[in-house]
Amino acid sequence: QLQLQESGPGLVKPSETLSLACDVFGGSISTFTYFWGWIRQPPGKGLEWIGSIYSTGITYYNPSLRSRVTLSVDTSRNQFSLKLTSVTAADTAVYYCASHRNFFDNWGPGTLVTVSS
Amino acid sequence: EIVLTQSPATLSLSPGERATLSCRASQSLSNYLAWYQQKPGQTPRLLIYDASNRATGIPARFGGSGSGTDFTLTISSLEPEDFAIYYCQHRSAWREITFGQGTRLEIK
Repeated sequence: QLQLQESGPGLVKPSETLSLACDVFGGSISTFTYFWGWIRQPPGKGLEWIGSIYSTGITYYNPSLRSRVTLSVDTSRNQFSLKLTSVTAADTAVYYCASHRNFFDNWGPGTLVTVSS
Repeated sequence: EIVLTQSPATLSLSPGERATLSCRASQSLSNYLAWYQQKPGQTPRLLIYDASNRATGIPARFGGSGSGTDFTLTISSLEPEDFAIYYCQHRSAWREITFGQGTRLEIK
C-alpha cells in the first residue's frame, strides 16, 4: 500500500522560500509508473494543482506558479520535493503531496504552511 | 488552459434524496475527468475516475457520467456521511491539471 508523508516548516516568512518534502512508503519511487504531484488548499478555499514530477525528473507546472516553483526527486531517499520562492500571505495553505496518473489516488495527510513575519 | 466550472456552488438536500452535481469544461475533454469528496479537516478522497469508473471501495450509490464538456456526479440516495464538498478534476493532454471550484453538498 503506497503511503505519502509531507514534511517541512510550518511557518515561512514573506519573500522567503517554502520548501517541502514528500516521503514515499510502500515501494520505490522509481518503479511506480506514477507522477508525483503537489496540490495546495488555502484555508476555506478549493484545491490548486502546483506541479508534478516523474521519477526521471520530467516536470509539469501550473502556469500560474511556474515562475516560482521547482520540483525535484531524490530516488535514493525515495522522496520528492517542492520549492516555492518569494512567498506571500496568499501562499498560506495546506500543501498535499500525491501520486497520480490521470487522477490522484494516493494523498499525503497534508501540512499547513503559514506565511507570516 | 481548461477551466472547470462546477454547479451549483451549494446544494441543499435531505438524506435519501438524489444529488446531481455538474462539472462543465471550457473545451471538450478526453474522459480524464475525476471526482473527489472532501470532508472538513480531511484529505480529498477519490470517488470516480475516467468520468464513470468508481474507485476502490466507493459505494454503488456514487455514479459518474458525461463526455465532451459536460460531466455529472450522481449520488442516488444520500446518506448522512455524503454531505461534504465535491471537486472535479481533469488532466489535459499537455499534463496540466485543473480542479473545479467545488460544490458544497449540505443537509437541508
